[in-house]
Amino acid sequence: EVQLVESGGGLAQPGRSLRLSCVASGFIFDDHAMHWVRQAPGKGLEWVSGISWNSGNIGYVDSVKGRFTISRDNAKNSLYLQMNSLRPEDTAFYYCARGSLAAVQFNWFDPWGQGILVTVSS
Amino acid sequence: QSVLTQPPSVSGAPGQRVTISCTGSSSNIGAGYEVQWYQQLPGTAPKVLIYGNSNRPSGVPDRFSGSKSGTSASLAITGLQAEDEADYYCQSYDSSLSGSVFGGGTKLTVL
Repeated sequence: EVQLVESGGGLAQPGRSLRLSCVASGFIFDDHAMHWVRQAPGKGLEWVSGISWNSGNIGYVDSVKGRFTISRDNAKNSLYLQMNSLRPEDTAFYYCARGSLAAVQFNWFDPWGQGILVTVSS
Repeated sequence: QSVLTQPPSVSGAPGQRVTISCTGSSSNIGAGYEVQWYQQLPGTAPKVLIYGNSNRPSGVPDRFSGSKSGTSASLAITGLQAEDEADYYCQSYDSSLSGSVFGGGTKLTVL
């Protein structure tokens, strides 16, 4: 069974950092790009970042560029999101999602993890 | 404001047919990039319903269908069932933003 499990969320003060992790199982991890998608409570979906199979191509939504860093460790079947300089508007459920392709562009997302809540508040 | 535009809500009675539109621009849907549709049931993660404009993953009922024309796409649901009540999102790639984009989501209510 293909599974994605996120961890590392929680409460952080504005300006502080958090690191999200996503462990994958049930598929060949380095055959796929991986992505982070977030959803503020009661709001819609927003693609945050994606990374190609070999980390050679990375993309971010403009609102997190320079603050968030995506990375992956294929040996550990793991995806990460380092979130620095957090802002209240970063408060959301963060989903890890498998990309349909090895390249980061033109993907669709399946499956998704269960999501993890990040709350940025003083 | 989302790059892809969806109606905030649609509704229909059991057994009826509803459609959800997704309007983009020349940098995403109009550029030929494929459109996907996701279903998000309350309190759960999204699940892909349609990929590549009109393809259904295994396990998705054929009551769900997708189409694309020009700068827009549509999701049609026939034979509405109570279990279809959920939020639906379209998604594509945008060359100007160099990333994936989603619609704002449409809440489907089964009357």
